[in-house]
Amino acid sequence: QKEVEQNSGPLSVPEGAIASLNCTYSDRGSQSFFWYRQYSGKSPELIMSIYSNGDKEDGRFTAQLNKASQYVSLLIRDSQPSDSATYLCAVIRRGNTPLVFGKGTRLSVIA
Amino acid sequence: KAGVTQTPRYLIKTRGQQVTLSCSPISGHRSVSWYQQTPGQGLQFLFEYFSETQRNKGNFPGRFSGRQFSNSRSEMNVSTLELGDSALYLCASSVQSTNYGYTFGSGTRLTVV
Repeated sequence: QKEVEQNSGPLSVPEGAIASLNCTYSDRGSQSFFWYRQYSGKSPELIMSIYSNGDKEDGRFTAQLNKASQYVSLLIRDSQPSDSATYLCAVIRRGNTPLVFGKGTRLSVIA
Repeated sequence: KAGVTQTPRYLIKTRGQQVTLSCSPISGHRSVSWYQQTPGQGLQFLFEYFSETQRNKGNFPGRFSGRQFSNSRSEMNVSTLELGDSALYLCASSVQSTNYGYTFGSGTRLTVV
């Protein structure tokens, strides 16, 4: 079982719709969870972090964490073509251990 | 505030050669991590340095090594290059603990021919 799993996509959504990106992780003791966005040819950019169960909202982005189900998701409301990128889920298992990344989900927002 | 700076941006090397990549973290950041990114494997952790000490190490052969200097700048070295080492090498820094995520540099694109 992979440590962090994501559907590779592509996930296509129309402009203005809600994009829903999902991630599961294998280590039940994982502590910290992140979403990074990576445009083609660029480096990853941190967009959300979440540490406790529930929802965390930041602008058009909402991260959701369910530790019992070992599941993290990212919702993007009012999706824009500029949101088209690969979204990487990353997890820290224990304090001061490296971020473990999923392989990413490619999102395409169609105008 | 300057971001994470990686040099060079692009490199072309021949099989068997060695290469050194450089990373300057954000001012005040003491943790520097290195990742290799390829289309097939995604982002794979190489190593992390904190206060000049290797704190974590990934599952890469001994040809991959790194170090950190007293000013937190870090270098990674790959010896005896293989074609499969062609990748984007990303450096990331964090203040002290990795628990708050990293800030990545722009990366070094290494091509081995």
